[in-house]
Amino acid sequence: EVQLVESGGGLVKPGGSLRLSCAASGFTFSGYSMNWVRQAPGQGLEWVSSISTSSTYKYYADSVKGRFTISRDDAKNSLYLQMNSLRAEDTAVYFCARDSIGVGSDYWGQGTLVTVSS
Amino acid sequence: DIQMTQSPSSLSVSVGDRVTITCRASQSISYYLNWYQQKPGKAPNLLIYAASSLQSGVPSRFSGSGSGTDFTLTISSLQAEDFATYYCQQSYSTLTFGGGTKVEMK
Repeated sequence: EVQLVESGGGLVKPGGSLRLSCAASGFTFSGYSMNWVRQAPGQGLEWVSSISTSSTYKYYADSVKGRFTISRDDAKNSLYLQMNSLRAEDTAVYFCARDSIGVGSDYWGQGTLVTVSS
Repeated sequence: DIQMTQSPSSLSVSVGDRVTITCRASQSISYYLNWYQQKPGKAPNLLIYAASSLQSGVPSRFSGSGSGTDFTLTISSLQAEDFATYYCQQSYSTLTFGGGTKVEMK
């Protein structure tokens, strides 16, 4: 069974940092691109970042470029999102999702809440 | 960036109704269009990929159509469990989502 479990969310002050993790199981993690998607309270879905297999390509939304860094450790079946210089507008539930070519994001984690507030 | 525009933003319907949601891309995305359903407090669930392919396990009352810039999600006969918010997503380039359509009970 495919499972994605996010962790690392919490309350952080503006300007602070946080590192999110996504533990994958039930599939060959190294064979899939992965995405981070967030959802601010009461708002829609916003794509944040994507990483290809072998970490060859990394993409970021303009809203996080230069502040967030996506990475993966295939040996640990894990996806990460390092978030620096956090702002109030980064407050959201952050989901990791598996990306299947031609199919879209077919499996999602349950999400982890990040709150940026003083 | 490719912008995705969904309409309507909300819909009041009854069980048994036929529901149609549209999504328009700011440029041609061929058939790289996916539809998701999201219920409160839950992760999105993939319904339709590649504009018209039904994801495994999704009821056949859901269907998708379109190509290029204009796409449609149709629920042929709405069931109680279908009250939710629906999002389109383009995967032609870096991902973008539509603003969502909330399907509510009339």
